[in-house]
Amino acid sequence: DTAVSQTPKYLVTQMGNDKSIKCEQNLGHDTMYWYKQDSKKFLKIMFSYNNKELIINETVPNRFSPKSPDKAHLNLHINSLELGDSAVYFCASTLGQGGRETQYFGPGTRLLVL
Amino acid sequence: LAKTTQPISMDSYEGQEVNITCSHNNIATNDYITWYQQFPSQGPRFIIQGYKTKVTNEVASLFIPADRKSSTLSLPRVSLSDTAVYYCLVGDMGNNDMRFGAGTRLTVKP
Repeated sequence: DTAVSQTPKYLVTQMGNDKSIKCEQNLGHDTMYWYKQDSKKFLKIMFSYNNKELIINETVPNRFSPKSPDKAHLNLHINSLELGDSAVYFCASTLGQGGRETQYFGPGTRLLVL
Repeated sequence: LAKTTQPISMDSYEGQEVNITCSHNNIATNDYITWYQQFPSQGPRFIIQGYKTKVTNEVASLFIPADRKSSTLSLPRVSLSDTAVYYCLVGDMGNNDMRFGAGTRLTVKP
């Protein structure tokens, strides 16, 4: 059973398009995250939701909009895609929010904007 | 905001012990130290976590000195499959203060 799953695994699209990435976790966790990993392998947190409420919103363009329909799902919608959005996007989840929480990551969505 | 510094890369040979040190000079009292491993085309995976002294599990050991300004991940007898990027993470997620560093790319050679 996959703990944290993401769809699609690969996404190739044109500049200016709108796309969505979906994430689901079956761990019963309360908190979910979106990370962006660029070509230099830096992992940067973008958003965090706890029980469907936004708790972290890093400085990302407002073209990125997370949506959490329930605590098992955290989707990422991106409007007007730009070349610089090309990266690997990882979803993760934790049981709670404390510093001891172990993050469980999904397999990643590789986004290429042409 | 706790910032971490790790070596960019390390090379080792099969069967050797590998020690990767992470510096975190401004670690806060509530911060934990966590290490993650990432293989190519996969998401990071938890290895070990500690607060102070030494922690050991079936995969690795984590050494943390008394001042907690650094930590060392120790991988005993590495194999080729241990080739990966290792991230040191310091912070308190409860305060929205968790940041991944640049990571250390470990290459294990035969």
